[in-house]
Amino acid sequence: NAGVTQTPKFQVLKTGQSMTLQCAQDMNHNSMYWYRQDPGMGLRLIYYSASEGTTDKGEVPNGYNVSRLNKREFSLRLESAAPSQTSVYFCASSDPPGQNSYEQYFGPGTRLTVT
Amino acid sequence: ELKVEQNPLFLSMQEGKNYTIYCNYSTTSDRLYWYRQDPGKSLESLFVLLSNGAVKQEGRLMASLDTKARLSTLHITAAVHDLSATYFCAVVPGNTPLVFGKGTRLSVIA
Repeated sequence: NAGVTQTPKFQVLKTGQSMTLQCAQDMNHNSMYWYRQDPGMGLRLIYYSASEGTTDKGEVPNGYNVSRLNKREFSLRLESAAPSQTSVYFCASSDPPGQNSYEQYFGPGTRLTVT
Repeated sequence: ELKVEQNPLFLSMQEGKNYTIYCNYSTTSDRLYWYRQDPGKSLESLFVLLSNGAVKQEGRLMASLDTKARLSTLHITAAVHDLSATYFCAVVPGNTPLVFGKGTRLSVIA
């Protein structure tokens, strides 16, 4: 099992460029999440998908869009990157709330720099 | 607004000493999670505490949960350098995603 995988690992963008971060999980989890991590801020939820076909905003959704392509894959898109989006992005997956331990498993992260 | 507060945010401790990290949260949550993150790495699950009074131990780390006080502790016994990392707690406010604290950066020095 690969667990949660993310691509790319590193990316540098110029302001205004767009890109899509890819995430896939092989644990048959229903729920998937995108977080960003900034120094001193912990992890902040951008968007999540409780199950295939649904997506919801988290704490910091502005400037991002998501697509739950199928049960395995959940992508995050930056339409017009801004320097404030320089961050480390983590994807995670879990069983739905109330099921099993609801423990979240994290991918290795994507380090994004916007100049 | 839900708040998850960790104390301290930075901790430098000597090898062999004991210390406790605290995680307070402002709303009802019947479960709590502790994660570890090494520099430049992802988050690794340490403990899942699923009920009031839950206590779990792994090596030199022990975590406990008091849902009435809305408090979890992560106790470090006889610290060693390998425990240097950032530790996060996270809670579940209902059927919603985890909400994380800001993390405690632990540095164990000789």
